[in-house]
Amino acid sequence: NAGVMQNPRHLVRRRGQEARLRCSPMKGHSHVYWYRQLPEEGLKFMVYLQKENIIDESGMPKERFSAEFPKEGPSILRIQQVVRGDSAAYFCASSPGTVYGYTFGSGTRLTVV
Amino acid sequence: EDKVVQSPLSLVVHEGDTVTLNCSYEVTNFRSLLWYKQEKKAPTFLFMLTSSGIEKKSGRLSSILDKKELFSILNITATQTGDSAVYLCAVEAGSEKLVFGKGTKLTVNP
Repeated sequence: NAGVMQNPRHLVRRRGQEARLRCSPMKGHSHVYWYRQLPEEGLKFMVYLQKENIIDESGMPKERFSAEFPKEGPSILRIQQVVRGDSAAYFCASSPGTVYGYTFGSGTRLTVV
Repeated sequence: EDKVVQSPLSLVVHEGDTVTLNCSYEVTNFRSLLWYKQEKKAPTFLFMLTSSGIEKKSGRLSSILDKKELFSILNITATQTGDSAVYLCAVEAGSEKLVFGKGTKLTVNP
């Protein structure tokens, strides 16, 4: 069981480019969550998805950010037209349906130059 | 707005010391409180607390929840250098969404 796999581990984008972050949940987990961690800040909830459904996107910025969890393949967090303020660590977690089973991936560190 | 506050934000101790980390919260739909350890990568699960007054224990770590006063503490006895990490407190505030504090950075010196 490889755990929650996130890739890439590090991503550098120039301002205005697109960033695509991928998350493969643990085997048997059908719930995926994305969190963002800014320097010196705690993790902030962004979005909660199940297969082909967005359950709660209350933490997603209204523009430029989108997330999906298709029937096949990993969950994708997509940031369009990135700005310097998007630089952060983005963590994905998965669970079988309870927070007791929450397992985090190692994160993607996005740097916008 | 749901809020989780941890204190202190950072702590430096010597090996063998005992430390107490604090977490207070204000959430509208409390379900559980969780502690994680983060060492430069993925947060790893330590404890989940749902009931007041029941201590959870794992080796040198223990934690307890007070739902009346809305806080939890994490104790680490006989600290070791390997305990150096950021300790995160999170509250489940409905629909499997976690609200995190900023963390306590613990440094244990030899």
